Amino acid sequence: GQNIDQPTEMTATEGAIVQINCTYQTSGFNGLFWYQQHAGEAPTFLSYNVLDGLEEKGRFSSFLSRSKGYSYLLLKELQMKDSASYLCAVRDWTQGNTPLVFGKGTRLSVIA
Amino acid sequence: DTGVSQDPRHKITKRGQNVTFRCDPISEHNRLYWYRQTLGQGPEFLTYFQNEAQLEKSRLLSDRFSAERPKGSFSTLEIQRTEQGDSAMYLCASSSSLMGESTEAFFGQGTRLTVV
Repeated sequence: GQNIDQPTEMTATEGAIVQINCTYQTSGFNGLFWYQQHAGEAPTFLSYNVLDGLEEKGRFSSFLSRSKGYSYLLLKELQMKDSASYLCAVRDWTQGNTPLVFGKGTRLSVIA
Repeated sequence: DTGVSQDPRHKITKRGQNVTFRCDPISEHNRLYWYRQTLGQGPEFLTYFQNEAQLEKSRLLSDRFSAERPKGSFSTLEIQRTEQGDSAMYLCASSSSLMGESTEAFFGQGTRLTVV
């Protein structure tokens, strides 16, 4: 089975940098995704990691360490519109590989 | 293509009634997923189709739940004899297997079900 842990809530200041951590335990890791979800809206894709290291995409970066079962999402130059839930999800090949298994999400509040 | 669309967006039903939701995936996507999400939680996987074949069902999916994708395009999720515990957001997502396993799933806006 899988166990995915993220902090429940975080608060950060506009213009700052915030790091959202995710730890996971899977039988057969095969990729990690980060999604953003604004209240009442659909999750939208942010990033994908399958190999160790950092993936950068504009203000958002995601890091993966497979040996530690650990990922983080880094948001730079925070804007008020970044206030949302951030969902960590893993793909596990022992669970059929294809459906993503999501953590409970981290609710980020960006304050002025 | 306007993305994944779900209908209805909101549904209020009395306990014991049956409800059916529809999902239209992105047209070229052959994979379709149903998830359920309650407040403060991440989406929970319910079931998955590749083309018209239902390849996986979660243990969360009780006998009251059934899903179909008859022609490999749109899908329906039916809940029979609804219970208050079924109140949740039901999310549909689609993806393409042709781009490999790194391809993300695209989500619809969801159907919010309230059972009273």
